[in-house]
Amino acid sequence: GDSVTQMEGPVTLSEEAFLTINCTYTATGYPSLFWYVQYPGEGLQLLLKATKADDKGSNKGFEATYRKETTSFHLEKGSVQVSDSAVYFCALSDNNAGKSTFGDGTTLTVKP
Amino acid sequence: GAVVSQHPSRVICKSGTSVKIECRSLDFQATTMFWYRQFPKQSLMLMATSNEGSKATYEQGVEKDKFLINHASLTLSTLTVTSAHPEDSSFYICSGTPGHGDEAFFGQGTRLTVV
Repeated sequence: GDSVTQMEGPVTLSEEAFLTINCTYTATGYPSLFWYVQYPGEGLQLLLKATKADDKGSNKGFEATYRKETTSFHLEKGSVQVSDSAVYFCALSDNNAGKSTFGDGTTLTVKP
Repeated sequence: GAVVSQHPSRVICKSGTSVKIECRSLDFQATTMFWYRQFPKQSLMLMATSNEGSKATYEQGVEKDKFLINHASLTLSTLTVTSAHPEDSSFYICSGTPGHGDEAFFGQGTRLTVV
């Protein structure tokens, strides 16, 4: 079945540091890929998405590129802020069934 | 993007009682809705898939008699946790999609605490 493997956390960075959270996936067919962010006590917010190979999703300074050859969708941000502290989930969506498969989540803490 | 509203956001109930969680698509018709469960500091696990007007499809290991799902209209799905026990305490999140191949939109989640 489909699966998502996400870089283990927690990750602690200083403000303005460069962020990379690795994500690889296994899927049949051609899934859409997503990054979600979850702030403490809240639900999921879509951060960015990519629906086909070589697409780049971007939002709020975060970027991720759908790499079919390496089955990866790594999340990057050039300069993190304290407000970026949250749990980040990589996910794929089976475009036929619509259900989502999530990675285990990576907790990011950004210190001033 | 489309909005999915989930209610209540938090609920505390006594052991043995039942709790209903509502998931509404506010600006689109959700032909399919999904219910997920998230244990503390863990990922989201799919519990069941519900299609409007038909019985829900439950994932392996999920008790369908305990977690009753009703998807009576294209904008509303409900999850009822029956005879709740402390081990049912968790964060429950729903999502809805307008149709096959469309993005799923997530509700805000419901934190259930059974005491």
